[in-house]
Amino acid sequence: AQKITQTQPGMFVQEKEAVTLDCTYDTSDQSYGLFWYKQPSSGEMIFLIYQGSYDEQNATEGRYSLNFQKARKSANLVISASQLGDSAMYFCAMRELYQGGKLIFGQGTELSVKP
Amino acid sequence: SAVISQKPSRDICQRGTSLTIQCQVDSQVTMMFWYRQQPGQSLTLIATANQGSEATYESGFVIDKFPISRPNLTFSTLTVSNMSPEDSSIYLCSVEDGGAYEQYFGPGTRLTVT
Repeated sequence: AQKITQTQPGMFVQEKEAVTLDCTYDTSDQSYGLFWYKQPSSGEMIFLIYQGSYDEQNATEGRYSLNFQKARKSANLVISASQLGDSAMYFCAMRELYQGGKLIFGQGTELSVKP
Repeated sequence: SAVISQKPSRDICQRGTSLTIQCQVDSQVTMMFWYRQQPGQSLTLIATANQGSEATYESGFVIDKFPISRPNLTFSTLTVSNMSPEDSSIYLCSVEDGGAYEQYFGPGTRLTVT
């Protein structure tokens, strides 16, 4: 069963606007972590933000915030004030904390920022 | 966060040959991971490399095809053996940073097999 689902293969956003990238997950564990990564065309994976399952506050890192809705098993990434440099693939991933350090990735969303 | 380097950054290899990819971290880490990203696909874990023990391979990946070494807490290698065009992928190493669960990735090795 697929554990991480990103339903948006591609998204467009106007520069300076906010955009939400969707991610839903499936796990029976109580202890897990959720990640978002950015992959530009160069291929590197850039860590953006992390949310632990027991964290009560939504994680924020600069222009990135994670909208964590535990009951709905969703962990959407919100990028505020989009910039042209935000154009990239974005991957949501999950780590079940008692399954070693393995990350399970979604299929990704390609974000294009329009000037 | 840990700074991770990989060598080579890219390579073009002939089928039937082998390539060893190096991953170097600027600090000691317990857990290192090797991932594969096939063209247009997401990332899949190949194996977990722990210092002082055999690597742990995920389903579908075997040691004969992807031997891994982890001689110390800052270095690991992944060998892609007897390559075929299906092995053309980006190979990435990652580390878990200290007490946090955050994982950081190296820049990747882009492999093309002809």
